[in-house]
Amino acid sequence: ELKVEQNPLFLSMQEGKNYTIYCNYSTTSDRLYWYRQDPGKSLESLFVLLSNGAVKQEGRLMASLDTKARLSTLHITAAVHDLSATYFCASLPRGTSGSRLTFGEGTQLTVNP
Amino acid sequence: GAVVSQHPSRVICKSGTSVKIECRSLDFQATTMFWYRQFPKQSLMLMATSNEGSKATYEQGVEKDKFLINHASLTLSTLTVTSAHPEDSSFYICSARTLGGGAYNEQFFGPGTRLTVL
Repeated sequence: ELKVEQNPLFLSMQEGKNYTIYCNYSTTSDRLYWYRQDPGKSLESLFVLLSNGAVKQEGRLMASLDTKARLSTLHITAAVHDLSATYFCASLPRGTSGSRLTFGEGTQLTVNP
Repeated sequence: GAVVSQHPSRVICKSGTSVKIECRSLDFQATTMFWYRQFPKQSLMLMATSNEGSKATYEQGVEKDKFLINHASLTLSTLTVTSAHPEDSSFYICSARTLGGGAYNEQFFGPGTRLTVL
């Protein structure tokens, strides 16, 4: 059974600081996804990572994938209050037909002024 | 593109009644739709996978007679919570996968439906 674990689950940081959220998954993955969720809202897609060494950046967020270590990271640079949200990673196991995603527990990020 | 809508966005019902939630892919055809449930401060839990024209596949522990899923067309799936009880109160989110999946095999998520059972 695929397991996806995020670390940390709660993160409180000051504006302007950098931090990294880690996502470990237990079996070989075809795809690794990162999502953002604001309170009371659904998921917003941030990144899709397809291959080993993939790196994608959008604004202050950068995601990377190391398939050998079965690890993805979401790096936050110079955090701002607007980044406060819950961030989920999700893995699609290799060979899965039908796109059955497994989600991590989520990381609740609070950026303080 | 790739917009998924849900209706209603919020519903309050009495215990024992049934509630239907619609999930529509607005600008693409979705052979597969997924239904998730999310309790406060928790992750998304997959309830069932819905394939157009066939029976849904339910995850372990999800009662198929309580959560009826119909995927009658390539753009519409419905989830009916039958005989709802307060413990069914949750945030229900659907997602849709494009025909063929595309390079990213991505799911596109609806805005969610907040169900409150009194």
